[in-house]
Amino acid sequence: QVQLQESGPGLVKPSETLSLSCTVSGGSINTYYWHWIRQSPGKGLEWIGYVYSSGSTSYNPSLKSRVTMSVDTSKKQFSLKLTSVTAADTAVYYCAKDNSRDPFYYFDSWGQGTLVTVSS
Amino acid sequence: DIQLTQSPSSLSASMGDRVTITCRASQSIIRFLNWYQQRPGKAPKLLIFATSNLQSGVPSRFSGSGSGTDFTLTISGLQPEDFATYYCQQSYNTPRTFGPGTKVD
Repeated sequence: QVQLQESGPGLVKPSETLSLSCTVSGGSINTYYWHWIRQSPGKGLEWIGYVYSSGSTSYNPSLKSRVTMSVDTSKKQFSLKLTSVTAADTAVYYCAKDNSRDPFYYFDSWGQGTLVTVSS
Repeated sequence: DIQLTQSPSSLSASMGDRVTITCRASQSIIRFLNWYQQRPGKAPKLLIFATSNLQSGVPSRFSGSGSGTDFTLTISGLQPEDFATYYCQQSYNTPRTFGPGTKVD
């Protein structure tokens, strides 16, 4: 079973950029979709987007203008950048792995989550 | 975006009870519906994918059914570790969306 571990600052100032990484262990990073999902009390679970192992991406339209995801297969890491953050971006951020039984997709592995607070 | 609603939002149950949670989609998602369990302070855990397929290692007391817009998660014989929040999630299209959750306590 793949294990995922998020890392990054737990506190970000308003208007700055939130940057998180997720390290993959116990399995391959290749040929999978890698997702970021966040959870805040006000909005429940929100899908942010994914990066495929080739580097292609898809983002939630609600966040698309502020989100960039990338992957480094040599380090078995993928990352999330969210610009111009506000208090509304305060949430627990999860990385997750997509699995599939064609044509169905589902998140079968999750990181433990990391709380990011946006505050000055 | 496809909206998912769940009912009830919370329910009180006892050990051994049969519990049913409903998820309704704003449009047909055929069978592209997954269920997750989340315990406090933990990440969600996949229980069922593609409406009715039990994830490896998940007890058989969990089952799922449905198609189109209406889906159910059933727990047959509630165990102490089942007191948690349950979310449905659609993978019919992007953005992937989740239901608001059903808390079982």
